[in-house]
Amino acid sequence: DAGVIQSPRHEVTEMGQEVTLRCKPISGHDYLFWYRQTMMRGLELLIYFNNNVPIDDSGMPEDRFSAKMPNASFSTLKIQPSEPRDSAVYFCATRQRATTGELFFGEGSRLTVL
Amino acid sequence: AQSVTQLGSHVSVSEGALVLLRCNYSSSVPPYLFWYVQYPNQGLQLLLKYTSAATLVKGINGFEAEFKKSETSFHLTKPSAHMSDAAEYFCAVSDLQGAQKLVFGQGTRLTINP
Repeated sequence: DAGVIQSPRHEVTEMGQEVTLRCKPISGHDYLFWYRQTMMRGLELLIYFNNNVPIDDSGMPEDRFSAKMPNASFSTLKIQPSEPRDSAVYFCATRQRATTGELFFGEGSRLTVL
Repeated sequence: AQSVTQLGSHVSVSEGALVLLRCNYSSSVPPYLFWYVQYPNQGLQLLLKYTSAATLVKGINGFEAEFKKSETSFHLTKPSAHMSDAAEYFCAVSDLQGAQKLVFGQGTRLTINP
């Protein structure tokens, strides 16, 4: 299996621009999680999906952030408009229903907002 | 709410020396506990997990951790450090229900001196 695939790996954009991060989960994994990693705040859970349905978005920092999972093979995290404080590494992670909490992480998307 | 505290944001040991990374957790229910490792520019990988079976858990790359309920601890050890162990290590806790969301500690950066 190819693992969790995220794109782009690096994104540099200007404040105010729209940013879309993409994630392809491992086939057969029922849960998909979006995390954000910064030096100051560590790893924060933003939102997670179960069978393509958003279950808990309480970690999404503001209305500027939105996430979708239109099918079992694809999820997006969108920031519109982006701000410099959104600069971080964004990780997608997935797992199977039957496993005890083990997450499989993508390699992350490093976002820099100038 | 569940949480973990990792004592020491940075640990430095000599090659061949004992590695000890500390993690204390807080949970109102019996927890699942995990150690993940992150190499530069990569996502997190599972090292080992405790899921209420044996209290001494062995993981990959010679690491192990012991669950001590009385001390609410789950420290990570390795008898002899190798240069390839240099990475960031994250302790995480989840509950046994539903999505089993992981809550991560702030991480400990391990440096190995030749």
